[in-house]
Amino acid sequence: EAGVTQFPSHSVIEKGQTVTLRCDPISGHDNLYWYRRVMGKEIKFLLHFVKESKQDESGMPNNRFLAERTGGTYSTLKVQPAELEDSGVYFCASRKGNEKLFFGSGTQLSVL
Amino acid sequence: GENVEQHPSTLSVQEGDSAVIKCTYSDSASNYFPWYKQELGKRPQLIIDIRSNVGEKKDQRIAVTLNKTAKHFSLHITETQPEDSAVYFCAASPYNNAGNMLTFGGGTRLMVKP
Repeated sequence: EAGVTQFPSHSVIEKGQTVTLRCDPISGHDNLYWYRRVMGKEIKFLLHFVKESKQDESGMPNNRFLAERTGGTYSTLKVQPAELEDSGVYFCASRKGNEKLFFGSGTQLSVL
Repeated sequence: GENVEQHPSTLSVQEGDSAVIKCTYSDSASNYFPWYKQELGKRPQLIIDIRSNVGEKKDQRIAVTLNKTAKHFSLHITETQPEDSAVYFCAASPYNNAGNMLTFGGGTRLMVKP
């Protein structure tokens, strides 16, 4: 079974630029989550999709972050414009219903 | 909302010793508590979980205990091995069919010295 895949694995951009992260969940998983870990702190919730709908986006830091999941398959997370404090590891995770949660390997984002 | 505290942030043990990581949570509605292990450069992976209808669960060298009254749960690793070295995260959420999001603790970096 293919796991959750994220692209790119690393991204280095300058402050003010735009970056788009992609997540392909496990096929058939209706729930898709974005999490972020900043500077060795806790894995913090960003938002939750159920199929193509945003179920909960209470963790999104501000309106520079935009997540989409068109068609209920893969999801993108765009940061525009990126700021220094956006640096961290962005994890995507998916699950079917309330079954086991599977994580992707994460995207390491560095904003210089 | 839920708040999960995890201690210690780093833990160093000698191979063969036991390791204990503790977490507390704030939301009494939480009833699902998974533990994730993240090895260096790899994705977090579920190693064990417990639901509030049990107080303890064991899987080989790993065990988790839950005290719902005190709102804390712990991970116990016995006979530690160098390959147990990783960052461990606890998490909590209410368990239902809605796929509720997990709230994570800050992580514990476990180092097992050979």
